[in-house]
Amino acid sequence: EAGVTQSPTHLIKTRGQQATLRCSPISGHTSVYWYQQALGLGLQFLLWYDEGEERNRGNFPPRFSGRQFPNYSSELNVNALELEDSALYLCASSPREGRAKNIQYFGAGTRLSVL
Amino acid sequence: GDSVTQMEGPVTLSEEAFLTINCTYTATGYPSLFWYVQYPGEGLQLLLKATKADDKGSNKGFEATYRKETTSFHLEKGSVQVSDSAVYFCALLSGAGSYQLTFGKGTKLSVIP
Repeated sequence: EAGVTQSPTHLIKTRGQQATLRCSPISGHTSVYWYQQALGLGLQFLLWYDEGEERNRGNFPPRFSGRQFPNYSSELNVNALELEDSALYLCASSPREGRAKNIQYFGAGTRLSVL
Repeated sequence: GDSVTQMEGPVTLSEEAFLTINCTYTATGYPSLFWYVQYPGEGLQLLLKATKADDKGSNKGFEATYRKETTSFHLEKGSVQVSDSAVYFCALLSGAGSYQLTFGKGTKLSVIP
């Protein structure tokens, strides 16, 4: 069974540009979560999508947005990039029901560098 | 709000030494508790979990017991190996409709031969 896949692995942008990060959840998982892992700030929750809807949002400005598609894959968009957006962005997925409902499985991440 | 405090690193141990990484939490209700591990250049892997008081999670020789009275979930391993070198994160899921993981800052473990 394939795990959570994220693309691209690395992304280099300049200040003011937009970045789009993609995530495919584990087959059968309906929830997708995005986290930011920035140096010195640890892992911070960004967004939670379930059944195509945004369910919860962390303490990030509106220029961080995303969506979830009918096949449950997800995009994270970061507009007007700032230097401090440089980080590893991790996507996780979980099933809606069952014993694993509260377990989030992570992808390998997208390393975003803003120059 | 919810928070997780874990032992600051880095931690350096010799192979076959005993490992303890302390983790305490603050949460409303009855959270689920997790240990995740991040190997160099990789994402997070679930190491073990516990969903209620006195539950013991275990995997690959690692153990942690959910202690409600001390709000702790300390990670232990009796004999570490070089391959255990990684960053370890303690996390909680409070549920209550939010389903967001709250993480500790991570503890970097280096095991030397």
